[in-house]
Amino acid sequence: DIQMTQSPSSLSASVGDRVTITCQASQDINNYLHWYQQKPGKAPKALIYDASNLETGVPSRFSGSGSGTDFTFTISSLQPEDTATYYCQQYDNLPLLFGGGTKVEIK
Amino acid sequence: QVQLQESGPGLVKPSQTLSLTCTVSGGSISSGSYYWSWIRQPAGKGLEWIGRIYTSGSTNYNPSLKSRVTISADASKNQFSLKLSSVTAADTAVYYCARDRGSAYQYWGQGTLVTVSS
Repeated sequence: DIQMTQSPSSLSASVGDRVTITCQASQDINNYLHWYQQKPGKAPKALIYDASNLETGVPSRFSGSGSGTDFTFTISSLQPEDTATYYCQQYDNLPLLFGGGTKVEIK
Repeated sequence: QVQLQESGPGLVKPSQTLSLTCTVSGGSISSGSYYWSWIRQPAGKGLEWIGRIYTSGSTNYNPSLKSRVTISADASKNQFSLKLSSVTAADTAVYYCARDRGSAYQYWGQGTLVTVSS
């Protein structure tokens, strides 16, 4: 199975800061990597699909990049409503796997 | 707008079978090129993909659960279901149903908590 390593597991940043989360796959997954946001008590919400494509209606401060094994998710200017846990997910091979998550908090 | 809603018992005894249903509205589970999936999340932990059923009826399961999982669909009711046998406390989680188009999960149910306890 492919292993997904997401880091950091948590971070604290100030409003307006640039936040970066990384996800590394144990083998090449092409660009089949998605990013989700999950708020407490809610289902995850897709933000980025296929590594770099913004889902409809998602603010442009969210972005993704990468291909192969190394991927990056960025919030260009952190907002209070961005407090959440973020997950990456690979879609290249079965079983579909999620990263361990990154909890983002506001300082 | 597609909506998914999980339903089923919130409490299951150890060694019994967990059964959940996802009712879909706003779209047919038997049309289009979609995967209908089950995903779970133990309290305070990450997301685990359980398996999925395609519009055609073909299924894929997580090997870690494959011997205990069955996902099926009932087009007449526009529902798909999850059965997980021989449950233990480790199966206690929030269970989500979700839909994808061969990419990210765009649509999710609200999730339902299933507790395994005697």
